[in-house]
Amino acid sequence: GQQLNQSPQSMFIQEGEDVSMNCTSSSIFNTWLWYKQDPGEGPVLLIALYKAGELTSNGRLTAQFGITRKDSFLNISASIPSDVGIYFCAGCSNTGKLIFGQGTTLQVKP
Amino acid sequence: GAVVSQHPSRVICKSGTSVKIECRSLDFQATTMFWYRQFPKQSLMLMATSNEGSKATYEQGVEKDKFLINHASLTLSTLTVTSAHPEDSSFYICSARDVNTGELFFGEGSRLTVL
Repeated sequence: GQQLNQSPQSMFIQEGEDVSMNCTSSSIFNTWLWYKQDPGEGPVLLIALYKAGELTSNGRLTAQFGITRKDSFLNISASIPSDVGIYFCAGCSNTGKLIFGQGTTLQVKP
Repeated sequence: GAVVSQHPSRVICKSGTSVKIECRSLDFQATTMFWYRQFPKQSLMLMATSNEGSKATYEQGVEKDKFLINHASLTLSTLTVTSAHPEDSSFYICSARDVNTGELFFGEGSRLTVL
């Protein structure tokens, strides 16, 4: 079945640093999504990407949908303590099902 | 904005009992809802797709008689964990697709602990 490989698994950075994480897939997705999950809560959508090559920003967050439609990255610039959490990429297939990456745990040191 | 509500947010039950979790779309209609399970420090895994007015479709390895799904209205899907056991303890999350816009929204999740 379809699988997503997300890296890095975890990051521990200093406040103010930039962060980058990415996902790769063995197959093509029509849509790539990036979510953030805080402890004990459901995931919250950060950015949605619908076209190959698309580059989209949401505040300090920037994400791109790879040309091959098999990968995506998420950048966070000038990190702040509230960026702490688990970030998930997700690919959406034709059936509407979401396949999630393994998650990247981000910790920010003030 | 659109909100998906799950109830209860936390439930603790004894082994062998059945537990029902509700997923409601509060200001939109959803013909399709999805149920996910998330174990500690792991990713979300799709369990089943809930289809309004018809049977749910289950992912491989998910027991349909164990996890009963009912999607009787355009705003409500329920997941019943039957004869729960400690290994069923997990965080259960639903998502609902807005029938008009196609947008997908997640609930807050329900944490099930089976003693």
